[in-house]
Amino acid sequence: AQKITQTQPGMFVQEKEAVTLDCTYDTSDPSYGLFWYKQPSSGEMIFLIYQGSYDQQNATEGRYSLNFQKARKSANLVISASQLGDSAMYFCAMREAVGNFNKFYFGSGTKLNVKP
Amino acid sequence: KAGVTQTPRYLIKTRGQQVTLSCSPISGHRSVSWYQQTPGQGLQFLFEYFSETQRNKGNFPGRFSGRQFSNSRSEMNVSTLELGDSALYLCASSLVRGPGNTIYFGEGSWLTVV
Repeated sequence: AQKITQTQPGMFVQEKEAVTLDCTYDTSDPSYGLFWYKQPSSGEMIFLIYQGSYDQQNATEGRYSLNFQKARKSANLVISASQLGDSAMYFCAMREAVGNFNKFYFGSGTKLNVKP
Repeated sequence: KAGVTQTPRYLIKTRGQQVTLSCSPISGHRSVSWYQQTPGQGLQFLFEYFSETQRNKGNFPGRFSGRQFSNSRSEMNVSTLELGDSALYLCASSLVRGPGNTIYFGEGSWLTVV
């Protein structure tokens, strides 16, 4: 089974509107971390937001918030007031402990286009 | 505070050659991991180093290898290059290991094999 699933290959949003990028994950580990990264065309993966599996509240970082629904194993990214510079690929990721090691899993990404 | 630095940013190699990519983690970060990103396969985990030891390895052939130095800097090497090795290679670092730790990526090294 896929560890991280992003079902939206591409999304369009109007500038200044909010947009939700979907992410579901699969793990049996009680301790895990969920991340969202932004990758512009330059290639760099930019960390946006982190949610720990034990965190009670949804994470927020400026215009980014993570809608964490643990029972549904979903970790959607919400971007409020979209800007043209938000156009990029967005990756959901999960880090879990596997024995004494860690493994990091990425989704296939969602390409977001912000229209003026 | 400097971010993760990868060199070189762009390179072109010929089939059969070998290549070495370098990664300097954020100061104080001891865990370094490498990823390969291609349009067809997406992001794939290559390996992770911590305290100069490889702690985890992805599903790649032995042509892909890496190492970490005492200052946490890391290198990865690909020998006998194939056309399919053309990809963006991303290095990431984190402060300590653990599922809750944020990892930060460098800008990547774009490798083209011709």
